[in-house]
Amino acid sequence: EAGVAQSPRYKIIEKRQSVAFWCNPISGHATLYWYQQILGQGPKLLIQFQNNGVVDDSQLPKDRFSAERLKGVDSTLKIQPAKLEDSAVYLCASSFNRGIGYTFGSGTRLTVV
Amino acid sequence: AQTVTQSQPEMSVQEAETVTLSCTYDTSESDYYLFWYKQPPSRQMILVIRQEAYKQQNATENRFSVNFQKAAKSFSLKISDSQLGDAAMYFCAYRRVSSGGSNYKLTFGKGTLLTVNP
Repeated sequence: EAGVAQSPRYKIIEKRQSVAFWCNPISGHATLYWYQQILGQGPKLLIQFQNNGVVDDSQLPKDRFSAERLKGVDSTLKIQPAKLEDSAVYLCASSFNRGIGYTFGSGTRLTVV
Repeated sequence: AQTVTQSQPEMSVQEAETVTLSCTYDTSESDYYLFWYKQPPSRQMILVIRQEAYKQQNATENRFSVNFQKAAKSFSLKISDSQLGDAAMYFCAYRRVSSGGSNYKLTFGKGTLLTVNP
């Protein structure tokens, strides 16, 4: 089966600019996750979708981050305006409803200068 | 809140030797899942092994095995006959069994960088 697709693979922006990341999960996976992985740390959940509804966004900095999952398939994560501390790898993952089989994408490495 | 601690930022092993990576966690729940993920430079998280807390038997997958000590809240990964391709970041992760809820997130440790020397 095809994996979780993410784009772009790399992105460099200046602080205060905006940026968007895209994720296409495994076909049929109802649950989609966005994780932020800062260098030297483990991934931290930003937001979890169940179909097109938000289950958990408690760690999402809502003053600058937003995410949507239209039609319960693809998802976009946006940062506006970006800060230096947003430099990280943004990983997308998907799973069946309550499944413990997670499939991760290769992530987007964001550098804010 | 659940926390996962990996106390070894870096480990090294000689090719063909055995290495053990440590992980401890904190939870008040009695049933949960524990995972070890491998993250190579390609950045994609790859599942190495999974353990269900209700199972007393330690999980094994070929050269990979775990030592699950539920009372001590310890979950170590043993890699036998280490190969050059095992070199990567290894993350320990926790997930609750969401009975009635719908939050299936993974909580990760900070990772251990494993180097395999030829």
